[in-house]
This record gives sequence, structure tokens and C-alpha cells, in this order.
Amino acid sequence: ILNVEQSPQSLHVQEGDSTNFTCSFPSSNFYALHWYRWETAKSPEALFVMTLNGDEKKKGRISATLNTKEGYSYLYIKGSQPEDSATYLCAFSSNDYKLSFGAGTTVTVRA
Amino acid sequence: SAVISQKPSRDICQRGTSLTIQCQVDSQVTMMFWYRQQPGQSLTLIATANQGSEATYESGFVIDKFPISRPNLTFSTLTVSNMSPEDSSIYLCSVLWRDEQFFGPGTRLTVL
Repeated sequence: ILNVEQSPQSLHVQEGDSTNFTCSFPSSNFYALHWYRWETAKSPEALFVMTLNGDEKKKGRISATLNTKEGYSYLYIKGSQPEDSATYLCAFSSNDYKLSFGAGTTVTVRA
Repeated sequence: SAVISQKPSRDICQRGTSLTIQCQVDSQVTMMFWYRQQPGQSLTLIATANQGSEATYESGFVIDKFPISRPNLTFSTLTVSNMSPEDSSIYLCSVLWRDEQFFGPGTRLTVL
């Protein structure tokens, strides 16, 4: 079992503010780092798959960075909106494609 | 992306009974997986569903408790056998599609 940790467990953000949170993972046997967004009763939505050290990816107001040498990734939300409220999951995979998930960061955006 | 459906979406079951969850994907895929999330816990991989052969189980999961079928490249089932309240979880199937994993909407199971 691989130790993937996310912090904080939850956070509350005022609409319009920006926020970020972290995912730490083992730096050995690294293949990819995945970010998902999960709303209740829906499928986890794939946000990013990151494989290279120093990778930065962006999707609208959400972006992510990756440091494979020290084993961490940041997810940023710029100008948070109520529709950004969800649980954000990161997952580590080796080259067997099996995902080891963190416990998630639950984001609540207050209007 | 691959579109995945699961049945049932939720169920409430009595202890000692079994429930079979179905996963259907709209494209042929090589790899399918089953995960669960117990209350307050991380999503955890149960097994890899292999087409035409026995599933590969992760540590802590056994075939007698979680039998899996994979009759073709678009369909799989997971059975939760002899259920106890500890099996109350969200069960999700996922598929590998062009190096990304896509998930179904999950089956929310409550065992009384």
C-alpha cells in the first residue's frame, strides 16, 4: 500500500478567492500523478495526468504542478466559484496503472 | 473519453446476502478495475478484472468475498458476498482509456 497524503482535509474559500492544496507521494517507482474532481453521486472527473518532473498543467481556472524528485504536487484554483465545490483526489500510479489515492481535499466555496 | 455506467446506483441490503454490481463501458478496453471507498477512507483498489481469466486481487481482498467476472472487453461484474455492515461503501469501476483512468458513477451500498 503506497502512502499518498493530501492536505488539508477540507477548506472553505470565499467566492472569488484563490486557493491551493497539496498531494505528497512516494518518489520511487513513479509513473504518473493523477488529479480528479469528485462531486457527490457523480463519477470522479479526470482533471490532469502528470508524468514529468516540473510539469505544469492548466484547465480553465484550475492548474497543477508536479515535483517528482521530492514527491509532491500542488493543485491551484484561481478565482473560486461555487461550482468548484467538490472533493479533489490525487492518485499515484506506477507503470502497472493501478492507482493509489489520497483521502482527498474537500473544497467548499461560499458565495 | 470512455463513458461508464454502473447498476445499481445504490442499494440497501441485509447482512448475509450478496449483491452483484454491473459495469458497462461504451468502448472496448483492455484494463478494468474495481475500487471501493469506505466511509471516511481513501478510494482503494480491490482488483483488476481480466478478460478471459481470473481477476487479480490486491492485498486484503479475496475472490470468495469479491468474485469478479469479465466476459468481454466492455462489461464486468463485482459481487459482494455474505455482506456485513463493514462492506457499506461506494464501489466504483474504472477503465484505462488512452493512458487515463475513467470512473463510473459508483454504487452506494448500505448493509444493515
